[in-house]
Amino acid sequence: GENVEQHPSTLSVQEGDSAVIKCTYSDSASNYFPWYKQELGKGPQLIIDIRSNVGEKKDQRIAVTLNKTAKHFSLHITETQPEDSAVYFCAARLYNQGGKLIFGQGTELSVKP
Amino acid sequence: DTEVTQTPKHLVMGMTNKKSLKCEQHMGHRAMYWYKQKAKKPPELMFVYSYEKLSINESVPSRFSPECPNSSLLNLHLHALQPEDSALYLCASGPGQGFEKLFFGSGTQLSVL
Repeated sequence: GENVEQHPSTLSVQEGDSAVIKCTYSDSASNYFPWYKQELGKGPQLIIDIRSNVGEKKDQRIAVTLNKTAKHFSLHITETQPEDSAVYFCAARLYNQGGKLIFGQGTELSVKP
Repeated sequence: DTEVTQTPKHLVMGMTNKKSLKCEQHMGHRAMYWYKQKAKKPPELMFVYSYEKLSINESVPSRFSPECPNSSLLNLHLHALQPEDSALYLCASGPGQGFEKLFFGSGTQLSVL
């Protein structure tokens, strides 16, 4: 199966609502988990990252939580705005893949005004 | 300057052409990466340079030839490509090794006819 699984593949929310995207990973030795936002016609942009020695990290309206035991991590966006509309990719550094960063399949988030 | 600049933004080439993609960063990063991204898919790693030396080649066909002339520049030389090589080619740089805190350029959209 996939080394990093991401759900859902599409997500539509109303402006002001919260959005949650979830990822699971296969390698218990993984220790670095970034989230990237990719807008149309642009490259991915790092929006937040977390290391395995931390359970949660926040940056304004964005937060990431990590459950090492269950091997899953989630992105939470509160008070969503139309400009949050983009494709979001989770990623994990997998040591069973030579320490490379492996991306999830992406979530297309649409925030409707 | 926190940008990764890629040129050209768009490129159309025939299967017998030779072309080069260019990438430049002035953040003092010592790790540079080439990724390939198909529509609605995550980026796929192609090459990694660390301190101007090729450290990872993801079994990429020899029709793609990377070059790192100095710590700020990364090139990807293309020769005898196939239509299935049409994709967005992304360059990224990072402050250290280990795929952390990558900065991506906006990419070169390549079409092979």
